Amino acid sequence: DTGVSQDPRHKITKRGQNVTFRCDPISEHNRLYWYRQTLGQGPEFLTYFQNEAQLEKSRLLSDRFSAERPKGSFSTLEIQRTEQGDSAMYLCASSLAQGSNQPQHFGDGTRLSIL
Amino acid sequence: GNSVTQMEGPVTLSEEAFLTINCTYTATGYPSLFWYVQYPGEGLQLLLKATKADDKGSNKGFEATYRKETTSFHLEKGSVQVSDSAVYFCALGSQGNLIFGKGTKLSVKP
Repeated sequence: DTGVSQDPRHKITKRGQNVTFRCDPISEHNRLYWYRQTLGQGPEFLTYFQNEAQLEKSRLLSDRFSAERPKGSFSTLEIQRTEQGDSAMYLCASSLAQGSNQPQHFGDGTRLSIL
Repeated sequence: GNSVTQMEGPVTLSEEAFLTINCTYTATGYPSLFWYVQYPGEGLQLLLKATKADDKGSNKGFEATYRKETTSFHLEKGSVQVSDSAVYFCALGSQGNLIFGKGTKLSVKP
């Protein structure tokens, strides 16, 4: 059973650099979500896709953030000109697209540290 | 807007003690409710869910009942084990995304 896979697990970079994370969802899941989690807090929603269409973006997703899911399978999240406040765990989840009662399955996350 | 409030931790219990972690929510419409668990060094895992009022979700000895009249979804377990030590998150499912509480850290001592 292949779960949600995220790469890399850890990323350390200097302020001002660009970073890109990848997420591979469970193969039969057509919804893919990105969340951000900071220490001591619950995950906060960033954006989600149904197939290749980006259906919703949170106000947390500033102009420096962009997410893509070009073929409706894997997704990438890019952060441009990183800032100290971007340090967090970035979580990806996937689910079937059958309403709000479908559970989301999470990857182990990418931990971003900005020096 | 929609929101979730859960009791702050940390919660420390002895093995075989009874556990309750309170969770209340604010929502329009009829959301689904979830409990997720995060064991040390691991990702979030779905623990249980309930999709409508009076539904009871259960898994691994944990239970939670969707109470619309009190807008609550409290997590309970009759006898905790050391292996239950983790952070527990209550979440509300609405219009595609999940809204999480801040999490409650549970430590169970032998």
